[in-house]
This record gives sequence, structure tokens and C-alpha cells, in this order.
Amino acid sequence: GAGVSQSPSNKVTEKGKDVELRCDPISGHTALYWYRQSLGQGLEFLIYFQGNSAPDKSGLPSDRFSAERTGGSVSTLTIQRTQQEDSAVYLCASSLDRDSTDTQYFGPGTRLTVL
Amino acid sequence: AQTVTQSQPEMSVQEAETVTLSCTYDTSESDYYLFWYKQPPSRQMILVIRQEAYKQQNATENRFSVNFQKAAKSFSLKISDSQLGDAAMYFCAYRSAGVPRLTFGEGTQLTVNP
Repeated sequence: GAGVSQSPSNKVTEKGKDVELRCDPISGHTALYWYRQSLGQGLEFLIYFQGNSAPDKSGLPSDRFSAERTGGSVSTLTIQRTQQEDSAVYLCASSLDRDSTDTQYFGPGTRLTVL
Repeated sequence: AQTVTQSQPEMSVQEAETVTLSCTYDTSESDYYLFWYKQPPSRQMILVIRQEAYKQQNATENRFSVNFQKAAKSFSLKISDSQLGDAAMYFCAYRSAGVPRLTFGEGTQLTVNP
């Protein structure tokens, strides 16, 4: 079946602009995760959704970052007033549920470059 | 907070040989899970192997096996009969039993030489 998909694959933006990154999880997966992969910080957790609610937003680095999930499926990560330090690969993952036995399946990521 | 450390930024191995990637972690919890993920140049993270902390037996998946030393908080990955397709960045990751988020190490870039 189809895996986790993310769009766009690459995004170049100017400092100060807003960007939206999209994630389509595997069909039927109720849990969805966003991670960020950058040279300076490595791979770090941003936010986790169970259904449409976000029990854990503790990894969002600032209030410029927000995410939503609608219909228990697609999720959008929004970065407002982008800064150069936001340049990174944003990875999305989904799992069947939040149980610890459930494997997280990752998408190919969106590479964000802020000029 | 839990931390995961991979002390080998780069490793190389000859095709058909065996290589071991190291990972240590720090936690005060007793119930947790450990993972090795592979990230090829395509960027997509692929699960290689997982280990439940409550299991004493080391996990094995075909050519991939782990050496899990709970007391030492060590979780190394052994790749046997290395293949060119094994070349990738490998990440060790930790997950608490009750918290879904993964905590990753810094990664080890594995090169496989023909």
C-alpha cells in the first residue's frame, strides 16, 4: 500500500515568509508525528497527533511553529515569519496507534531552505 | 530526559564483511524500546530492527542483529555480510513505553566498499 507522503519535496523561501508543509499518513494510522532534521540539532521531535488532537507539542521550537490535523488524516505544519535557522528537513511519520508496539513509518521529508 | 549517543560519526566496511555500530543511551526508566533506523540518500527513514527492553534475547532480522546490554545501557547494531545497499546513515533511537516520541542519536554514516 501507499506509504507516508509529504509535499512539497523541496521548498525555498525568503526570510520572513510563511510556509506550509503537508503530510499524508498511511491510511488508517491514527498517530502522526513531525520531526526536524538539521545539521546543528540532529533529529528532533516537534509534535505528535493522536487523531486530530495534539497531546504533545513540547518539541515546537517557538510560537512561529504550529500544526494541525484534520479528519484524522492529513496534517499541515506551518512556520510563520521563517528564519534562516528554520532551514532543515522536516520529516513526518505515522503509526497505527500510539502504542509502543507500533512502528513509526516515515515519509521522504520536505527540505526547507530559507534564504 | 533521555539521551542517545552514537560515538562513531563515520564507519566503513568492505563488502561481505561484518561491521558493528555503537549506541549508548541514558534513562532512568525501566520500560522502553530501542530502534535502529536506516536513512539512505532518499531521506526516507527505514526501520531496521527494534528491541524491547523487557526482553533479554537480542533481536535479529536477517543480516542485522543487536547486542543489547541493559545494565550498561548499550545497544549496538551488527551488520553481517555487508552489501552495497547497506550504505546509509544509521540512527539509534529510544522510546519510552508511555511516550510515543522517538529520541535519536546523532547518526553514523556507513560506507560499504566494493
